[in-house]
Amino acid sequence: KNEVEQSPQNLTAQEGEFITINCSYSVGISALHWLQQHPGGGIVSLFMLSSGKKKHGRLIATINIQEKHSSLHITASHPRDSAVYICAASEALFGNEKLTFGTGTRLTIIP
Amino acid sequence: ETGVTQSPTHLIKTRGQQVTLRCSSQSGHNTVSWYQQALGQGPQFIFQYYREEENGRGNFPPRFSGLQFPNYSSELNVNALELDDSALYLCASGSYNSPLHFGNGTRLTVT
Repeated sequence: KNEVEQSPQNLTAQEGEFITINCSYSVGISALHWLQQHPGGGIVSLFMLSSGKKKHGRLIATINIQEKHSSLHITASHPRDSAVYICAASEALFGNEKLTFGTGTRLTIIP
Repeated sequence: ETGVTQSPTHLIKTRGQQVTLRCSSQSGHNTVSWYQQALGQGPQFIFQYYREEENGRGNFPPRFSGLQFPNYSSELNVNALELDDSALYLCASGSYNSPLHFGNGTRLTVT
């Protein structure tokens, strides 16, 4: 059974700071997902990656398959980035199946 | 807007009752998965359907069952509700090797 751990659990930063959230997993995976969850519950998929690095706007996700570790970075953070960020790992063939989730990192950006 | 719609948004049931939660996916998404998220926790995988057949199940008892229909809608049924079933229930749909699209969830309260 895959174990997915995130750190930190909570993170408070000033607007404009560079943010890093870390995720580690215990067994080999086909894909790693980064998700954003706002109060009220809705989840938005930010990245799905199986190797290397992806960038979308101010968000960057990296993964190191050998070290079983992924990071989510936010540059020039803004109060609207405040949310819970969750990483989730898939061991299944298609990479988007049977996800095992971390418990999330609650990010608060102060103006 | 993820294109995935869940209903109802909130629901209150009594212990021992049965409940049906619904999810409408985007056209072309042939996989749908359901997750249970207890307060303050990451989501837990319940089961997944691919082309109307269950093709994976998490650690949930048989009183959790589901259906997927040809029109890309699906249902989660829970029998003999228990207090611990109180949670946010999320469905997510996708297709081969693509990020998942999550609904906003149904918040179930069992009293």
